[in-house]
Amino acid sequence: QKEVEQNSGPLSVPEGAIASLNCTYSDRGSQSFFWYRQYSGKSPELIMSIYSNGDKEDGRFTAQLNKASQYVSLLIRDSQPSDSATYLCAVKSGGDDMRFGAGTRLTVKP
Amino acid sequence: DAGITQSPRHKVTETGTPVTLRCHQTENHRYMYWYRQDPGHGLRLIHYSYGVKDTDKGEVSDGYSVSRSKTEDFLLTLESATSSQTSVYFCAISRDRTPGELFFGEGSRLTVL
Repeated sequence: QKEVEQNSGPLSVPEGAIASLNCTYSDRGSQSFFWYRQYSGKSPELIMSIYSNGDKEDGRFTAQLNKASQYVSLLIRDSQPSDSATYLCAVKSGGDDMRFGAGTRLTVKP
Repeated sequence: DAGITQSPRHKVTETGTPVTLRCHQTENHRYMYWYRQDPGHGLRLIHYSYGVKDTDKGEVSDGYSVSRSKTEDFLLTLESATSSQTSVYFCAISRDRTPGELFFGEGSRLTVL
């Protein structure tokens, strides 16, 4: 069984702080990793993809991948109240199999 | 905007009735997916398609069938709805050059009484 695990939260951070979201996965053959943001009552939207070990930065977002330890993380710098949402980690193995974690709910307090 | 529309957006039905959800895309992408989302389970893949009349099962395909007779439309059918199929259903597409990066429709909320 291929599992993707995330802490459900809620994770609460003050405005301007760094929010750190973590995800672990069980399938060592996983090749592609994604972070989606989902506002309440809305559909998920892709915010980051990462394919190789290390860090990938896009604006205030940084994705970190460590394949040896089988974890992927998302850092949000200078967190804003508009970042309050559920963040979904997704992991893709070879082929068409993509698995999602249950999501971490983030609240950024003004 | 990936040009994905789902219909109906909301539906209430009774146990044992058939239900069809429609996903329509305007950009001719090959890959289309149906997911369901339930509290505590995240998104789970029901079925996907990689072209007209080419479909395959996902993680939770029991009780569901799909059809894709045109590139732009991907239909999800519950032949005989059960209460366990009460969920929010999302259609998604991926662009050929970036497989795995999914773009989702607005979702269809189905309640089976």
